[in-house]
Amino acid sequence: QQQVKQSPQSLIVQKGGISIINCAYENTAFDYFPWYQQFPGKGPALLIAIRPDVSEKKEGRFTISFNKSAKQFSLHIMDSQPGDSATYFCAASKGSNYQLIWGAGTKLIIKP
Amino acid sequence: EPEVTQTPSHQVTQMGQEVILRCVPISNHLYFYWYRQILGQKVEFLVSFYNNEISEKSEIFDDQFSVERPDGSNFTLKIRSTKLEDSAMYFCASRAHGGRETQYFGPGTRLLVL
Repeated sequence: QQQVKQSPQSLIVQKGGISIINCAYENTAFDYFPWYQQFPGKGPALLIAIRPDVSEKKEGRFTISFNKSAKQFSLHIMDSQPGDSATYFCAASKGSNYQLIWGAGTKLIIKP
Repeated sequence: EPEVTQTPSHQVTQMGQEVILRCVPISNHLYFYWYRQILGQKVEFLVSFYNNEISEKSEIFDDQFSVERPDGSNFTLKIRSTKLEDSAMYFCASRAHGGRETQYFGPGTRLLVL
């Protein structure tokens, strides 16, 4: 019930392509869904986040698509660049404490 | 830009020893968290801290763990008697006041228990 399932585990995309990472959750009480980006040797950094009252949120080349009925959300990276190569984590939380339940992570490699 | 810092970056200890991991959250933040990531596994929530007390803790956070904010700047995680399975990357995070959701993470402390 508390799990967030993330796929794929790794992803290789050509420069300029679209990277898509998917997450699914079970607990309908989750009400905050962030995506974090992590570079080697660094802590995770918030990339973009969404609440379940909207189906899509876009910030620059990064878009979250949210499907409440399917309990799924995904990250789309448009025009992927080598600098986007990193590990991406989806997460979810509920309530006001915001402790995060994490997906397993996706290692994204953008080939030049 | 303000950032969360953690020390040490790496720590090697013997099983049964006590370790203290230190974090300096962003200065005006009020909410503090510890997470850990065992190699190859998910990031897991350990504990959250607000107003000088634990607000939530996971089942991982047993009596061997404790947290403290000993002064106005540091936030520490103590493991009293380390076990082999405590080997992990430990991340500290902080968050501003109530309405702000974003957690800012430190670079982590890699703990190796031998």
